[in-house]
Order: sequence, then structure tokens, then C-alpha cells
Amino acid sequence: GAVVSQHPSWVICKSGTSVKIECRSLDFQATTMFWYRQFPKQSLMLMATSNEGSKATYEQGVEKDKFLINHASLTLSTLTVTSAHPEDSSFYICSAQGASNQPQHFGDGTRLSIL
Amino acid sequence: AQSVTQLGSHVSVSEGALVLLRCNYSSSVPPYLFWYVQYPNQGLQLLLKYTTGATLVKGINGFEAEFKKSETSFHLTKPSAHMSDAAEYFCAVSDPASSASKIIFGSGTRLSIRP
Repeated sequence: GAVVSQHPSWVICKSGTSVKIECRSLDFQATTMFWYRQFPKQSLMLMATSNEGSKATYEQGVEKDKFLINHASLTLSTLTVTSAHPEDSSFYICSAQGASNQPQHFGDGTRLSIL
Repeated sequence: AQSVTQLGSHVSVSEGALVLLRCNYSSSVPPYLFWYVQYPNQGLQLLLKYTTGATLVKGINGFEAEFKKSETSFHLTKPSAHMSDAAEYFCAVSDPASSASKIIFGSGTRLSIRP
């Protein structure tokens, strides 16, 4: 149980395009979803927290207009990297949580490469 | 503010040897503590967690960790390493009183297993 699916797993695109990453909780309802960014050989840095039906809460230093997060249902959250540039290349990981006292369940990540 | 320090970015042990990955935390409140494992190009998998109660926590794959409040530590151990244990390990902390359920990750320790 508690499976989180992230799609796509790998994407390459040209500089200036926008990329959407989906995070789905397959067998539970996710009240809260989290988006992380991980640079090579580094730890996960929380980008934003989103609750279903509410605006996402972004961490300090994360551009909300650059990284658009939508959490329209209890099973789906999306992260859109707008006008992506090479410096946005990274590994993006989502996690989903059913209730505040429940553990976060992580997706397998999306490797984004901007040429 | 909470933080996690993992001592040693890389640990190498022989197959069958004891695995010890060190983690120290800083928290102004009794924390929740976690160990996660990450295999290449994948998300994170929860190994074990400490919330309250017994300070010795047993997790999956034969791992265990002991919460020592006096030492502010939560070291991860496994009596006998297996080749399949080679991965990146992250210690993490969260504030149980926070409604945001944020997890703060350590910088990670890469575990290598020598044949």
C-alpha cells in the first residue's frame, strides 16, 4: 500500500519551454503533497508544500511564478517548471501524506534536463 | 529550528561487516526521527522512524536505530552488511507539533559494500 507514482521519470527539453511533472497517490488520499529538489550528490531540499484545494506554501528562495504547483484533487499534484533554463536541471521528487500524523510516501522522482 | 547532521558522506564496509551510519540532530522540541534509503535514480524509501516510546527502533531490511536523547543521536546500524545495502541513506527530523509536517533531511551518507 501507500504507492506514489511520479511521471515522467525522465524528461529532456529545450531552454524556454515549460515542463509539467505529475505526482499521484495511487491507493490513498493525499491531504498534503510535498515537492523536493535534489542536486547531484546532495540532499533533498523542500520546495513547497501543497494541500488539496489550497494554494501551495513555498519555501524561502523558491520562485512561486517559476515553479507552479497545483493540487486539485486528493490524489494528484502537479509541478510545472515554467520557461525552464539549464539551471533548473535537477532531480525533482514528490511525496504524499494521508494525514498529518502519517509518514510521507515518496515518488521515484523525475530527472529534468534542460538543454 | 531543527537540523540534522550526518557524519561521513561516504562509508565503506565489507560484506558481512557491521554497518554504522551516524546521525545527530538539533531540535528544541522532542522530535520525530527518520531514516530513509535512496537507490540510484529513485525516490526515498522509509527504513524506520522514531516517534515516541521505545528508543530502539527496528526497521526493514534488518536495520535498526536507537534514539539517544542525551547524545541527540539517532545512529543507524545493521549487524551484517549485504551487497544490496549499497545506497544513499538520509537521516531526517520533523517537529511533531507542527501542522506543516515538514521533514528536514541530512546531507546523506553513501554506503558502499566491498565484496
